[in-house]
Amino acid sequence: KQEVTQIPAALSVPEGENLVLNCSFTDSAIYNLQWFRQDPGKGLTSLLLIQSSQREQTSGRLNASLDKSSGRSTLYIAASQPGDSATYLCAVRVGANNLFFGTGTRLTVIP
Amino acid sequence: DGGITQSPKYLFRKEGQNVTLSCEQNLNHDAMYWYRQDPGQGLRLIYYSQIVNDFQKGDIAEGYSVSREKKESFPLTVTSAQKNPTAFYLCASIPPGHRNTEAFFGQGTRLTVV
Repeated sequence: KQEVTQIPAALSVPEGENLVLNCSFTDSAIYNLQWFRQDPGKGLTSLLLIQSSQREQTSGRLNASLDKSSGRSTLYIAASQPGDSATYLCAVRVGANNLFFGTGTRLTVIP
Repeated sequence: DGGITQSPKYLFRKEGQNVTLSCEQNLNHDAMYWYRQDPGQGLRLIYYSQIVNDFQKGDIAEGYSVSREKKESFPLTVTSAQKNPTAFYLCASIPPGHRNTEAFFGQGTRLTVV
């Protein structure tokens, strides 16, 4: 069964710093990988989707990479802001039936 | 605006009571999903439906039931058989062509047993 791990579980950085969040998965036979943001008590907001044939995707200050063969993805956030504080979740799609989620990284950006 | 609407936002259940969580989408998506989120754990799949009048159990279906009578609606009932129902429940939908399409989520319902 697919297992998804996110390290670290929590991260605090000063405002303006660049940072990297990590996601690893055990089975490389994935359709795609999606990064989400979750604010406390809220639902998930999709940030980036990387298809299995792609290496990276960019949206504004966010850049996500995918190395399917090694089972790794990273989410790079440039010039972090206090408004970036949230929990970041990665999820891999295996077949049509399920998304497998990591437990998330809780990010705090200190003003 | 298109999206997924979950209601209510907060729900309280007494011991032995069944409660139903609503999930409605106007995105014309075929596939809909229910997930449960507990502190420190990833989202876990309860039930999913690929098409109207059809649904399948996920990893933690015991104590839950669903129906899919309309494409737009996928309600989840938490029955008295679910012994630990306090959690945050999230509904999601995915457009046709699952392989390279992103999942969309509602804002969640927080269920508390009182």
